[in-house]
Amino acid sequence: QKEVEQDPGPLSVPEGAIVSLNCTYSNSAFQYFMWYRQYSRKGPELLMYTYSSGNKEDGRFTAQVDKSSKYISLFIRDSQPSDSATYLCAPSRGDTGRRALTFGSGTRLQVQP
Amino acid sequence: DVKVTQSSRYLVKRTGEKVFLECVQDMDHENMFWYRQDPGLGLRLIYFSYDVKMKEKGDIPEGYSVSREKKERFSLILESASTNQTSMYLCASSSMTVKGSHYGYTFGSGTRLTVV
Repeated sequence: QKEVEQDPGPLSVPEGAIVSLNCTYSNSAFQYFMWYRQYSRKGPELLMYTYSSGNKEDGRFTAQVDKSSKYISLFIRDSQPSDSATYLCAPSRGDTGRRALTFGSGTRLQVQP
Repeated sequence: DVKVTQSSRYLVKRTGEKVFLECVQDMDHENMFWYRQDPGLGLRLIYFSYDVKMKEKGDIPEGYSVSREKKERFSLILESASTNQTSMYLCASSSMTVKGSHYGYTFGSGTRLTVV
């Protein structure tokens, strides 16, 4: 079983739709849960992160973590064509140990105008 | 803002060549990473370094080596390039000493390498 699983998509929605992107993970030691956004031909950039369970909102974006089911979600409200990108989840232990992040394989989102 | 700069956006090399990919970061980060990204396979860790002259193998180190002689620079070396190393290579850095910042990678823009 992969440590982080993510549906690769592609996911195509009309402009204005609510988008739900999801990941599952297997390691209960993860404490921080990050979402990266990657535009075509660019490197990923950190979009937002949450600590432990619960929700975090940032503008049109809401990150949600359910540690009991090891399930991570990113919701995008009022989606825009500029949101078209690949979204990668990345859970982390959050300590300063010498280890690297494991990323989900990414979900490609296309928002149609 | 932290900036991670990769020396080339696009490279075309011949099979058997020795290839150097350079990455420089300007925020005094301890950790630096090399990933490759392929369709359907996501980001796969090749090597990472948590200090000068230190290196750790990632998930797919075969055919690669790295060098970190200075804190700000992390080089990926393809000893003898092969066609299956055609990929997007991404460098990233992160801090290990500022609480709460360890989990935030900053990535470069990537180098798209084609081996012919």
